[in-house]
Amino acid sequence: AQSVTQPDIHITVSEGASLELRCNYSYGATPYLFWYVQSPGQGLQLLLKYFSGDTLVQGIKGFEAEFKRSQSSFNLRKPSVHWSDAAEYFCAVGARGGYQKVTFGIGTKLQVIP
Amino acid sequence: EAGVTQFPSHSVIEKGQTVTLRCDPISGHDNLYWYRRVMGKEIKFLLHFVKESKQDESGMPNNRFLAERTGGTYSTLKVQPAELEDSGVYFCASSLSREGETQYFGPGTRLLVL
Repeated sequence: AQSVTQPDIHITVSEGASLELRCNYSYGATPYLFWYVQSPGQGLQLLLKYFSGDTLVQGIKGFEAEFKRSQSSFNLRKPSVHWSDAAEYFCAVGARGGYQKVTFGIGTKLQVIP
Repeated sequence: EAGVTQFPSHSVIEKGQTVTLRCDPISGHDNLYWYRRVMGKEIKFLLHFVKESKQDESGMPNNRFLAERTGGTYSTLKVQPAELEDSGVYFCASSLSREGETQYFGPGTRLLVL
């Protein structure tokens, strides 16, 4: 069974600082990988996804993530955080071989301080 | 293009009552998924429709939950009778019928059972 670990439940960064949110997954092969964001009062929005090819994936809002097979990781990064990035971030995996359910991590709440 | 919509946005009911949640997927999306997030926990898969057929309902907690998708369009999730542990945010998502297609999520319905 697939699983996702987000080791950091809460992270606080200063506006303008760099950000890295960690994600490790467990899956028998290479899964589909996603990062979603949920802003306060909003639904889940897809930031980026990895299906195949280039292991460095660019997403919306200046985010990127790197798939590292050897570490079973898919960490999310942003070089300079804006106050509007304060939200909850979810890493997720989907099994290959069909359009199937997505397994989510517990989420990381990001607080941005001035 | 309209996104996934869910109704109601919030629902507060008493234990033992019935609640019906509705999801309207993106037009043309044959796949429809229900997920639930209990406070402080991961977002968990409940079930998956392909058109009007249940493809996978392995995540449904018990027989108090009944999901339907009439004519392969909108879906309803009924909880009868509701229990305290059913409180949480219920998300609906939809996707196209191709492998690895992104699931687009609705804003969720926040259910509180008192």
